[in-house]
Amino acid sequence: QQQVKQSPQSLIVQKGGIPIINCAYENTAFDYFPWYQQFPGKGPALLIAIRPDVSEKKEGRFTISFNKSAKQFSLHIMDSQPGDSATYFCAATIYGNKLVFGAGTILRVKS
Amino acid sequence: GAVVSQHPSWVICKSGTSVKIECRSLDFQATTMFWYRQFPKQSLMLMATSNEGSKATYEQGVEKDKFLINHASLTLSTLTVTSAHPEDSSFYICSARGTGSVQFFGPGTRLTVL
Repeated sequence: QQQVKQSPQSLIVQKGGIPIINCAYENTAFDYFPWYQQFPGKGPALLIAIRPDVSEKKEGRFTISFNKSAKQFSLHIMDSQPGDSATYFCAATIYGNKLVFGAGTILRVKS
Repeated sequence: GAVVSQHPSWVICKSGTSVKIECRSLDFQATTMFWYRQFPKQSLMLMATSNEGSKATYEQGVEKDKFLINHASLTLSTLTVTSAHPEDSSFYICSARGTGSVQFFGPGTRLTVL
C-alpha cells in the first residue's frame, strides 16, 4: 500500500514532443505528490508538486495532471528539449514525512 | 532559496575506515533531514530520518551501528559510515525539510570503498 508505481521505465521522444510519465498509488492518506528530476551524478531537484485537491498544475513547460478517484497522476513536459534528458521520479508523502518514490523514468529527448 | 549542500562530493577510502558525510541546509532551518542511498540506475532508498536533537529513525534493514546519524542543529546533519567495506560503496544523498511538505535534496556524495 506504500508503493508508488511509475511507468514507463524509459522513454525516447523527438525534440518538441510531449513525453508523459505516469504514476499510480494506493494509499489515500498521501497528501503531497512531488516530481523530481535527476541528472547523472547529481541529487534530485524538485520540479513541480501537487496536492490531491487540485486536478492540474502548470509550471513553465511542466504540467501535473491528478486524478484522485483513479489514484493516478502524471507529468507532461511540453515542447521537450534535449536538456530535459534526465531521470524523472514521482513521489508521494504524508505531510512531508517519508517520501515514497517511484522506480524512475529515464527520458531521452532526441535533437 | 532552499539550498542543501553536501560535503564531500566524493570520497575514496580503504576498507575498515570510517567516513563522515555532512549535509547542510544553507538558507532555511531543517526540522527534519533524511538520508538516502542510491545504486546505479535505481531509485532512492531511504535509510533514516532525523529530527534535530533526536535520535534518528532507521528504515528496516539499515544497520544503525554502521550508519551513524547525528542531527545536532537545525542546519546540519552528518552520516558516518563506520568500518566501511566495498559493499558500502554507493551514492549517498541527503534531503532537508523545513516547516512544509517539500524535501530539498543535496547534490549527493559518491563513496568508493577500496
